[in-house]
Amino acid sequence: DIQMTQSPSSLSASVRDRVTITCRASQSISNYLNWYQQKPGKAPKLLIYAASSLQSGVPSRFSGSGSGTDFTLTISSLQPEDFATYYCQQSYSTPHSFGQGTKLEIK
Amino acid sequence: EVQLVESGGGLVQPGGSLRLSCAASGFTFSSYSMNWVRQAPGKGLEWVSYISSSSSTIYYADSVKGRFTISRDNAKNSLYLQMNSLRDDDTAVYYCATDGWNMGTFDYWGQGTLVTVSS
Repeated sequence: DIQMTQSPSSLSASVRDRVTITCRASQSISNYLNWYQQKPGKAPKLLIYAASSLQSGVPSRFSGSGSGTDFTLTISSLQPEDFATYYCQQSYSTPHSFGQGTKLEIK
Repeated sequence: EVQLVESGGGLVQPGGSLRLSCAASGFTFSSYSMNWVRQAPGKGLEWVSYISSSSSTIYYADSVKGRFTISRDNAKNSLYLQMNSLRDDDTAVYYCATDGWNMGTFDYWGQGTLVTVSS
């Protein structure tokens, strides 16, 4: 099974900050990497698929990069509505594993 | 607008059974593969099961294999998860989710239904 490891586990930042979250796969997954945002009490929402493709309707301040085993999610200028938990997830093979999550909090 | 509405959650004793349903609307359900994903209270996300559009291909996480059964009824635009031999660690919010650009990319999610396994 492929293990997904995110860092950091939590992060404090301010509005208008640039933030980067890292995700590492235990083996190469090509570009089969997705990013989700989850707010308390809500279902996750797909932000980025195929490592760098922006899901329809997602603001352009979100971007993804990487290939192989190392990936990043970047938020270029944090907005108040971006404070949430972010998960990476591999869709390369079953079981489709998730990272443990990164909780983004207001500083 | 894509809508997925889960139902069937509740409190069940260890060893018991429960059947979850997911009602789909706003898209051609019969053309999409579907998944169940769960989240234990305060924990991360765990993929549970996948079913292809025609039900010809099914996968399960090892943690539920042999106890859970995924199925669908394309005529009723519905997805199901039959859960047997439930354990305490099956306690979670269960989400149904559509497959996106490739198998295992979850592009639309329901609001979830809570399953609590406790005596």
